Amino acid sequence: GAVVSQHPSWVICKSGTSVKIECRSLDFQATTMFWYRQFPKQSLMLMATSNEGSKATYEQGVEKDKFLINHASLTLSTLTVTSAHPEDSSFYICSALDREDQPQHFGDGTRLSIL
Amino acid sequence: GQQVMQIPQYQHVQEGEDFTTYCNSSTTLSNIQWYKQRPGGHPVFLIQLVKSGEVKKQKRLTFQFGEAKKNSSLHITATQTTDVGTYFCAGPDMRFGAGTRLTVKP
Repeated sequence: GAVVSQHPSWVICKSGTSVKIECRSLDFQATTMFWYRQFPKQSLMLMATSNEGSKATYEQGVEKDKFLINHASLTLSTLTVTSAHPEDSSFYICSALDREDQPQHFGDGTRLSIL
Repeated sequence: GQQVMQIPQYQHVQEGEDFTTYCNSSTTLSNIQWYKQRPGGHPVFLIQLVKSGEVKKQKRLTFQFGEAKKNSSLHITATQTTDVGTYFCAGPDMRFGAGTRLTVKP
């Protein structure tokens, strides 16, 4: 089955640091990738939709300059949390679609802790 | 964009009892997906419903899509401890419902 690899699985860093999270589709080409954020015991909140070769579409309330998304190839999308602060600490999950009528495949997620 | 409302938020059952979670939308959905997320894990795709009035079964799980394609349900018969987790629905815009957290007492 389709596999999505997300890296790193967890990261702890100091306030003010920028953190990059990678999302790769390993055995299929993902024309669209999604980035979600999840706080403990809450639902997944869609942050942005990423299409290969074009600018990401951000959800209302998500700061574009804070959460930089790059989808440079059909198998890789990256999310960079710039100048991270403690309130950015969360579980970030990516997912990928190979076709529009197919379900999305999720990565294992990244637990981000900002001290 | 579309938004799916999901209830209940929590459900605690005795092992062997049935469980149902519901999703509703104010607009017609082209499809609806169901996911399960175990504690500490990522969402795992369960099923996608596309047709009006569709009913699909996976062992003890029964999924329904309403005739108007505005609501859906997931029903688990005779729950087991392995059913523990949070069940989410998601619309075609990839936005998730609030989820229903299921706990099962042995």
